[in-house]
Amino acid sequence: SYELTQPPSMSVSPGQTASITCSGDKLGDKNPCWYQQKPGQSPVLVIYQGSKRPSGIPERFSGSNSGNTATLTISGTQAMDEADYYCQAWASKVFGGGTKLTVL
Amino acid sequence: EVQMVESGGGLVQPGGSLRLSCAASGFAFSSHWMSWVRQAPGKGLEWVANIKEDGSEKYHVDSVKGRFSISRDNAKDSLFLQMNSLRADDTAVYYCARESIVTSGVDFWGQGTLVTVSS
Repeated sequence: SYELTQPPSMSVSPGQTASITCSGDKLGDKNPCWYQQKPGQSPVLVIYQGSKRPSGIPERFSGSNSGNTATLTISGTQAMDEADYYCQAWASKVFGGGTKLTVL
Repeated sequence: EVQMVESGGGLVQPGGSLRLSCAASGFAFSSHWMSWVRQAPGKGLEWVANIKEDGSEKYHVDSVKGRFSISRDNAKDSLFLQMNSLRADDTAVYYCARESIVTSGVDFWGQGTLVTVSS
């Protein structure tokens, strides 16, 4: 079965850049998406098709993907960005294990 | 305003059954693929099943094949998940999820309903 691998956790200082990776076989061909989930809330789509931002998502969120890796980048990270982030290979619907981002 | 409200969750014994429902409003329900996604307590997201706009195609994750069945009623703007032979590892919050028409990804999520499988 298809698997996606994310780092379980990472931390970033306010104002700095956070880069969260997601790896899987030929992930770049599988239309990767990224979701943000805050405690007690439903997920929110922040990146689709690897690098596109839905309406209403701040410009500090960006995505890239190539080969086996997709990356979510948060520039100028704010305290409100502290959350769990999940990648998904849309073509197969599989989710990564999630990355807990701490802003401190 | 787009709304999706799940119901039908609760406590059930191993081997039992539950039927989850999702009532949608505020958008053209029959124009969207729809999914169920679950999240076990303290764990990550897991896609469970999805269904085509007209119900003619359905897909389920291997771990629920033969036990769960997704369906929809476009006349009532409703999505369903029939869950049989429930196991302890099916315990999770189950989210109703709308798949985007023009892009990829789930562009709207319900608030979720908790299913607990325990004796």
